[in-house]
Amino acid sequence: DAKTTQPNSMESNEEEPVHLPCNHSTISGTDYIHWYRQLPSQGPEYVIHGLTSNVNNRMASLAIAEDRKSSTLILHRATLRDAAVYYCILLSIGTASKLTFGTGTRLQVTL
Amino acid sequence: EPEVTQTPSHQVTQMGQEVILRCVPISNHLYFYWYRQILGQKVEFLVSFYNNEISEKSEIFDDQFSVERPDGSNFTLKIRSTKLEDSAMYFCASSAASGTGAYEQYFGPGTRLTVT
Repeated sequence: DAKTTQPNSMESNEEEPVHLPCNHSTISGTDYIHWYRQLPSQGPEYVIHGLTSNVNNRMASLAIAEDRKSSTLILHRATLRDAAVYYCILLSIGTASKLTFGTGTRLQVTL
Repeated sequence: EPEVTQTPSHQVTQMGQEVILRCVPISNHLYFYWYRQILGQKVEFLVSFYNNEISEKSEIFDDQFSVERPDGSNFTLKIRSTKLEDSAMYFCASSAASGTGAYEQYFGPGTRLTVT
C-alpha cells in the first residue's frame, strides 16, 4: 500500500481556516486520496476524497498538488466540533477498498 | 440521512465465550466491512464482504472470527472463543461500491467489547 505522512498534531483557533497537509510521494496513478476523521469516542467519519482535481463538499475542501505527491485538507472555519484525528488514506484500485489507517493528525481547536 | 447502526453499544463477556456483534449497513450498500480499534491504537481492517462472501481479510481475522449476512439487512461478526486481547471497539462500515478506490465508507458508532 502506498504510504502517507501527516504531522502528528496541529492547533487552530475557532473560526479560523485550517490546512491539514498529507504527503504521499509514492502514490500511483490510480490511487484515490481519501480523508476521514475520528471524533473522540466515535467511529471514523468520511470527509472527502479526490483523484486529481480539487474537490469541495459541505464539510471541507481537498487541494491536490499537480504531481499528486501531496494534498491538503482545508476546513474553512474550524469549530470546536472539528477537534478530531484526521486521516489521509490512499485507496487503490482492486483492493476491495480496505482502509489502512495510520496515526493521522490530531487537530486541536481552541477558543 | 441514512446511517450504519451497531448493536450492542457495549458487550462484556468472559474469556472463551462466543460473541456476536451486529450491524445494519446502509440499505442500498453492497460492500461491508469490519474494523477494530484497541484502546489507544490505530483502527485496523479485519474483513470485507461482498455478494455473500469474504473479499479480503487481514491476518487478525483468524479461524476464531466469522462474518455473515443472515438476512437482507444485518451483517454480523462472530468471535467463537474470545480472548483478552479481543477487547476493542469494533466498527462496521458499508459502501455503495468498491474496487476502484472511488467510493467512501460509512462507519457505525461501534461496539465496545470487553473480555474479562
